[in-house]
Amino acid sequence: KQEVTQIPAALSVPEGENLVLNCSFTDSAIYNLQWFRQDPGKGLTSLLLIQSSQREQTSGRLNASLDKSSGRSTLYIAASQPGDSATYLCAVWGSNYKLTFGKGTLLTVNP
Amino acid sequence: SAVISQKPSRDICQRGTSLTIQCQVDSQVTMMFWYRQQPGQSLTLIATANQGSEATYESGFVIDKFPISRPNLTFSTLTVSNMSPEDSSIYLCSVVVESNQPQHFGDGTRLSIL
Repeated sequence: KQEVTQIPAALSVPEGENLVLNCSFTDSAIYNLQWFRQDPGKGLTSLLLIQSSQREQTSGRLNASLDKSSGRSTLYIAASQPGDSATYLCAVWGSNYKLTFGKGTLLTVNP
Repeated sequence: SAVISQKPSRDICQRGTSLTIQCQVDSQVTMMFWYRQQPGQSLTLIATANQGSEATYESGFVIDKFPISRPNLTFSTLTVSNMSPEDSSIYLCSVVVESNQPQHFGDGTRLSIL
């Protein structure tokens, strides 16, 4: 059974800092890996999708990497802003497009 | 991507009643799923909504408690039956438009049972 762990569970940083969120998974036989953000009381917003054949994906200030062999992914956020405050969720794609989620990292960016 | 509308956005229900949640997509999609997010927890897959046939449920979830319909490629419903306080959660639908494209989620239904 796939298990996904996200570290740290919570992170508080001053505005402008670069930061890294970590995600690890137990079964390296994944199809893709997707990062989401969830704002309080809201649904999930897709940030980045990394296909299993890819090593990284970039969108604006976000960069996600994937190392299938070691079962790890990182989400790098450059020059953090208060608007980045949210819970960040990592999800791995199993067979039949089913997602297994980590518990998330609660990020607070202080002005 | 796809625009997903979920209704209702929130509800407060009495113990023992049932509630049906709707998920409408603005385009035909390959796959539709239903997830549950219990308070303070991450998301857990309830079932895959199969178009024109019975849903495929994950371990720990049964059709009598969570009947699902998917009459076409753009619409699905999830019913939470005989509700108890333990069913208080956020229920979300997700869709796959094309393989190897990001999965997208609705805004969720926040359900509280008294």
